[in-house]
Amino acid sequence: GQQVMQIPQYQHVQEGEDFTTYCNSSTTLSNIQWYKQRPGGHPVFLIQLVKSGEVKKQKRLTFQFGEAKKNSSLHITATQTTDVGTYFCAGNNAGGTSYGKLTFGQGTILTVHP
Amino acid sequence: GAVVSQHPSRVICKSGTSVKIECRSLDFQATTMFWYRQFPKKSLMLMATSNEGSKATYEQGVEKDKFLINHASLTLSTLTVTSAHPEDSSFYICSARTPWGDSTDTQYFGPGTRLTVL
Repeated sequence: GQQVMQIPQYQHVQEGEDFTTYCNSSTTLSNIQWYKQRPGGHPVFLIQLVKSGEVKKQKRLTFQFGEAKKNSSLHITATQTTDVGTYFCAGNNAGGTSYGKLTFGQGTILTVHP
Repeated sequence: GAVVSQHPSRVICKSGTSVKIECRSLDFQATTMFWYRQFPKKSLMLMATSNEGSKATYEQGVEKDKFLINHASLTLSTLTVTSAHPEDSSFYICSARTPWGDSTDTQYFGPGTRLTVL
């Protein structure tokens, strides 16, 4: 079945440093979604990438979707303490009967030291 | 828009009892909802896909007689954990798939239900 690998599992940064998390899918994706889960909270939708090579920005966050639509990254510039949480990528299978199901990566737990 | 509620937020029950969790899409109709389970500091594991008006589709390894899913309307899906045991203790989260947008299939998550079985 489809697998989505996400690294690193943990990332500790000083406030102001940059942060990147990477996702790699074993199969081609129709789209990939990114979620943020604060400690004790639930996943909150951040963005969806659909097109090959797509790059989207949300303030200090930059999301990329690979040309082959099998990998993606989330980069945060100049982290702040409010960025703390777990970031998940979730891949949507390209066609087939499982279309619409998300396969989540393992998540990257980000801690930011002030 | 795209608000999903979940009730209860927290439940503690005795071993052997059944617990029902409700998931509602508040401002849109969701023909498809999903039920996930999450262990501490772990990722979300899809348990089943809930389709309005039809039987749920369970993921491999998930007991359908243990985790009963009912999607009776376009805004409500329920998950019943039957004869709960301590190993069923977990964080259960539902999501609803939005029917709009060029992006398709964005899922919005409920706040989750923390189940503790004593």
